[in-house]
Amino acid sequence: AQSVAQPEDQVNVAEGNPLTVKCTYSVSGNPYLFWYVQYPNRGLQFLLKYITGDNLVKGSYGFEAEFNKSQTSFHLKKPSALVSDSALYFCAVRDDKLIFGTGTRLQVFP
Amino acid sequence: DAMVIQNPRYQVTQFGKPVTLSCSQTLNHNVMYWYQQKSSQAPKLLFHYYDKDFNNEADTPDNFQSRRPNTSFCFLDIRSPGLGDAAMYLCATSRKTGTGTGANVLTFGAGSRLTVL
Repeated sequence: AQSVAQPEDQVNVAEGNPLTVKCTYSVSGNPYLFWYVQYPNRGLQFLLKYITGDNLVKGSYGFEAEFNKSQTSFHLKKPSALVSDSALYFCAVRDDKLIFGTGTRLQVFP
Repeated sequence: DAMVIQNPRYQVTQFGKPVTLSCSQTLNHNVMYWYQQKSSQAPKLLFHYYDKDFNNEADTPDNFQSRRPNTSFCFLDIRSPGLGDAAMYLCATSRKTGTGTGANVLTFGAGSRLTVL
């Protein structure tokens, strides 16, 4: 069965510093991987996806993610964090349905 | 802007009193999904419609039902809400299901938060 794991419940980073939110996957066949962000009391918003092609995927709000097949990882990154990036981030894999990881709360401090 | 609209945003009901949550979309997407999300947990898929074809997840309780009268609207009916049904209910849409190079992004509504007293 397809699955993703987010090993960190929370990530804290100072504004202006680079951030990484980790995700590892377990799939049979080619992975279809996604990152979504959820702000308080809101639905999920799509950030980026990896289907095929370049391992470095660029998405919304300056975020990017690197697909690493050997490490089965799809970590979300941003070179310089903003306080407004504070939110809940979900990694997901698509099979016949979208399967979410448990989420990582990102807290960016001024 | 094309979007997914959920109503109401906040719903308070009494234990056992039926509730209906609605979702409308202007994206003309074929697929509509209902997810349940409990406090800061991962969204859990309840069911989805591909056009008029209803697909129930195996572990979705019978207490949860859905209707899709047309392409634009989908409803979630909770027949007898229990305290454990208090959650955020998220509606989402996509053009199609499955995988492939055209693997579709889901567009989510803002959610309906259900409180059960």
